[in-house]
Amino acid sequence: DTGVSQDPRHKITKRGQNVTFRCDPISEHNRLYWYRQTLGQGPEFLTYFQNEAQLEKSRLLSDRFSAERPKGSFSTLEIQRTEQGDSAMYLCASSLSEGAGDTQYFGPGTRLTVL
Amino acid sequence: AQSVTQLDSQVPVFEEAPVELRCNYSSSVSVYLFWYVQYPNQGLQLLLKYLSGSTLVESINGFEAEFNKSQTSFHLRKPSVHISDTAEYFCAVSGTSYGKLTFGQGTILTVHP
Repeated sequence: DTGVSQDPRHKITKRGQNVTFRCDPISEHNRLYWYRQTLGQGPEFLTYFQNEAQLEKSRLLSDRFSAERPKGSFSTLEIQRTEQGDSAMYLCASSLSEGAGDTQYFGPGTRLTVL
Repeated sequence: AQSVTQLDSQVPVFEEAPVELRCNYSSSVSVYLFWYVQYPNQGLQLLLKYLSGSTLVESINGFEAEFNKSQTSFHLRKPSVHISDTAEYFCAVSGTSYGKLTFGQGTILTVHP
């Protein structure tokens, strides 16, 4: 068990550019979540996958954001036409579904800075 | 919908003193409750969780939390803290079938020698 990994760990981009983040969950975990954390706040839910199906998206996820989980393995989160308000830590978590009380295992996060 | 309020943004304490980090939640459905910890330069880790049964749950490193349904609280306590407990602590709730977490704002616990 190597844990949840995320790449890159840091990304600095200019406003208007597109960025893509990758998350590799724990191998047998069928659930995958994306959260966003801004300074001084707790993580906020963005989206959830059960295997390859994206089953819920937060209203925080504008149409500039898209997430995929092809073949139910790794996931990508893309932000198009980045804005300064997108600057945040993007966290990925995975779990093995046992009901609503699953323990989610978090990756180290990708810190995005939009200049 | 659920919400979580952590009443203290920062809690400074001296080593070996007791500590309580407060968490209140609101929800229209039954919830599961969690405390996560984030040590400096590390990712979020589960500290403990309440699903059902005994309202008092414990972690392996001496923390405990008590679910109080009438007061909608899930406060985290430790009778004697160590320098190594310095971290940010997040209370979270889940009320959905797939475990989406709603987090509080976090409490930074700083343990001084």
